[in-house]
Amino acid sequence: DVKVTQSSRYLVKRTGEKVFLECVQDMDHENMFWYRQDPGLGLRLIYFSYDVKMKEKGDIPEGYSVSREKKERFSLILESASTNQTSMYLCASREGGVGGYSGNTIYFGEGSWLTVV
Amino acid sequence: QQQVKQSPQSLIVQKGGISIINCAYENTAFDYFPWYQQFPGKGPALLIAIRPDVSEKKEGRFTISFNKSAKQFSLHIMDSQPGDSATYFCAASNFGNEKLTFGTGTRLTIIP
Repeated sequence: DVKVTQSSRYLVKRTGEKVFLECVQDMDHENMFWYRQDPGLGLRLIYFSYDVKMKEKGDIPEGYSVSREKKERFSLILESASTNQTSMYLCASREGGVGGYSGNTIYFGEGSWLTVV
Repeated sequence: QQQVKQSPQSLIVQKGGISIINCAYENTAFDYFPWYQQFPGKGPALLIAIRPDVSEKKEGRFTISFNKSAKQFSLHIMDSQPGDSATYFCAASNFGNEKLTFGTGTRLTIIP
């Protein structure tokens, strides 16, 4: 069965802290994504990776960075957390490399709720 | 710039009724239009998807209607049930682009 696991479901961090959100997928997918979900704004893409050590900015990359050292793991990093980064963060994965079939299903994790105080 | 516009933001439907959620897109290069369903505390999960070479796709009680000339697509839930209460997201992407652009979501509540 398909599984995308976000290790931290609920976090509370202080302004200025460095925050790591970890995501692991067990499907050997090439593509991995980090989205942010906010009420009324839907899901917005922060970063995605189409291969190990490869990354591309999404629509709202400011204040975030990512790391993909292994195919199954994709980390989202908030270098200096701010209150406007309080949100739910969703990791996702999909089969297919760059230029691949866009119709492959994206599988989401259950989300990480981050509160920055 | 919102490339996929979704309406309504929230919807209340009686059990047994038809739920309709609409989306409109701007990018004519989009060629894949999925709908995702999200229950509270869970991540979104693919519900049904369509490509623009057909005008309708049906899976059980769920139907996508697609109007390429109007650049619109909609989700119809027939015989709506309380278990259908969830947030629904439309989305779109195009071949060669790994990104999926989502609508803003519709919170659907089915009342007895």
